[in-house]
Amino acid sequence: EPEVTQTPSHQVTQMGQEVILRCVPISNHLYFYWYRQILGQKVEFLVSFYNNEISEKSEIFDDQFSVERPDGSNFTLKIRSTKLEDSAMYFCASRETGGTEAFFGQGTRLTVV
Amino acid sequence: KNQVEQSPQSLIILEGKNCTLQCNYTVSPFSNLRWYKQDTGRGPVSLTIMTFSENTKSNGRYTATLDADTKQSSLHITASQLSDSASYICVVSADSNYQLIWGAGTKLIIKP
Repeated sequence: EPEVTQTPSHQVTQMGQEVILRCVPISNHLYFYWYRQILGQKVEFLVSFYNNEISEKSEIFDDQFSVERPDGSNFTLKIRSTKLEDSAMYFCASRETGGTEAFFGQGTRLTVV
Repeated sequence: KNQVEQSPQSLIILEGKNCTLQCNYTVSPFSNLRWYKQDTGRGPVSLTIMTFSENTKSNGRYTATLDADTKQSSLHITASQLSDSASYICVVSADSNYQLIWGAGTKLIIKP
């Protein structure tokens, strides 16, 4: 069964460093999303992406964040200069055109120290 | 303000018993409501999606109900199994975009 895959599963980084979280969406999906979940808190929307551009972003998604689809299969989230409060699980999701269901990856646990 | 509230926060039941989780929302305009199951440290997995016109939807031992007038939904789990231990999250979509409004979840623990 096709699935969204995320790498790495866990990343530890020092405050101020740049990190890139990687996602491989389901192959025929064209809508991509990033969410985050701080430990013990609700899942929060970060950004949606379609047709090689951001279609919507939340107030969390400030200038420190960027997304990219560098090739036909990967979808990445970059955090330019990480802060302690960026520590969270980051989930990627994808959806096919006309579908209502988004499929989530297993997440990347980011720990900023 | 668009919000999704869930109750109870946590629930412990014995294996084999039934349970019902509640979700109240103040989201407008309403597009659809979803229930997700999230195992600890894993991504959410969809159980059901319901639109405005749907009152009940089942997925195996999971049955979701929706009352769009009172803006309430419930998730009923029948004959619980140990593997049902997880967080169950109610998520509401305000319109055709995908900025989903997430509830805090109900942490369900099934004990043998």
